[in-house]
Amino acid sequence: AQTVTQSQPEMSVQEAETVTLSCTYDTSESNYYLFWYKQPPSRQMILVIRQEAYKQQNATENRFSVNFQKAAKSFSLKISDSQLGDTAMYFCAFMRLYNFNKFYFGSGTKLNVKP
Amino acid sequence: DGGITQSPKYLFRKEGQNVTLSCEQNLNHDAMYWYRQDPGQGLRLIYYSQIVNDFQKGDIAEGYSVSREKKESFPLTVTSAQKNPTAFYLCASRDSDKYEQYFGPGTRLTVT
Repeated sequence: AQTVTQSQPEMSVQEAETVTLSCTYDTSESNYYLFWYKQPPSRQMILVIRQEAYKQQNATENRFSVNFQKAAKSFSLKISDSQLGDTAMYFCAFMRLYNFNKFYFGSGTKLNVKP
Repeated sequence: DGGITQSPKYLFRKEGQNVTLSCEQNLNHDAMYWYRQDPGQGLRLIYYSQIVNDFQKGDIAEGYSVSREKKESFPLTVTSAQKNPTAFYLCASRDSDKYEQYFGPGTRLTVT
């Protein structure tokens, strides 16, 4: 079974600084997708970034980038120039390409951006 | 404007009653999902559907039922057999090309 682990229940960062959220996963498959989702206080889940396992290049979306280490099964999210609006729960998710494309979510990291 | 709608936002029911949560999407996605989120926890999969008239149990399907009669709609019924139904419920659909999930705003169900 696939598992996704986020070992940091809560983190804080000063506005304009950089923060990295950790995620590790366990799978025996070679093709899969990884995602980071953001859940602000409104509880609306918002896709932050996506990484395809067969691509070695790390995905970037504006201030958000990932460090994907396939051999280590690690998928961390780096937020640069943190903004107050980045305050939210962040969930790491793994999606297998087979067996009905099930998603597996980590338990989340609560990020507080301080002014 | 494409998206996923869930209604109502807040739902209150008495113990022993069945209740149906609505989920509608106009994104033309084949796959749809239902998740449950409890305080301080991640998302747990209840049911998912790859296509109309087909659906599979997720990790915590006991006490829940679904139907998928139309591509746009994937309602979830919380039955009286569900022992702890009070939770936040999220519906999602998935893009077939990018494999990205898009979520609705959620329904907060409280059973007393």
